[in-house]
Amino acid sequence: RKEVEQDPGPFNVPEGATVAFNCTYSNSASQSFFWYRQDCRKEPKLLMSVYSSGNEDGRFTAQLNRASQYISLLIRDSKLSDSATYLCAVNEGGGADGLTFGKGTHLIIQP
Amino acid sequence: EPEVTQTPSHQVTQMGQEVILRCVPISNHLYFYWYRQILGQKVEFLVSFYNNEISEKSEIFDDQFSVERPDGSNFTLKIRSTKLEDSAMYFCASSEERRTDTQYFGPGTRLTVL
Repeated sequence: RKEVEQDPGPFNVPEGATVAFNCTYSNSASQSFFWYRQDCRKEPKLLMSVYSSGNEDGRFTAQLNRASQYISLLIRDSKLSDSATYLCAVNEGGGADGLTFGKGTHLIIQP
Repeated sequence: EPEVTQTPSHQVTQMGQEVILRCVPISNHLYFYWYRQILGQKVEFLVSFYNNEISEKSEIFDDQFSVERPDGSNFTLKIRSTKLEDSAMYFCASSEERRTDTQYFGPGTRLTVL
């Protein structure tokens, strides 16, 4: 399995600010891309799938850049409840079933 | 909203003992997975299961591990002879159809090997 890289942070951001983080992947054949949110010692919870055209869900926007092999997540108007670790996950295609995860980016929203 | 469930939430065992971790995937899902996460490390894929057989396994999934779907709802992970380094969170996940479909994770079983 190839690598999926994320800046571990922590990102300390004031409430209401906009924050963005990227995730790079090394396997150009990767097919599917996801952002998951993980709270301390809990399971990854799907935040959003990432499509080539980009997608938005409320305050969250995800983008995919295949040429540069990265995906991004933008959070607008951040809330205290957004504090979590954000995991990037990639299905590498070629018949692979499992997701390859990054180590996650730790986000702390400060009041 | 349908969820993946896992039992037990925490399992403590002695080194060398066998453990079985249980999962109930979402009912209309066809692909099932096990992942593990050692404390402070990333989530790692172990194995996938489709149509009553292993579809893919990682290099972590050695002969000490096995999976089974003993009935129409449960999906189990067995570790035959646990080692200290097997201590981790084990997450079960399921997806509706194709491999690249979104995977939904259960709450995990924390395995502690003493």
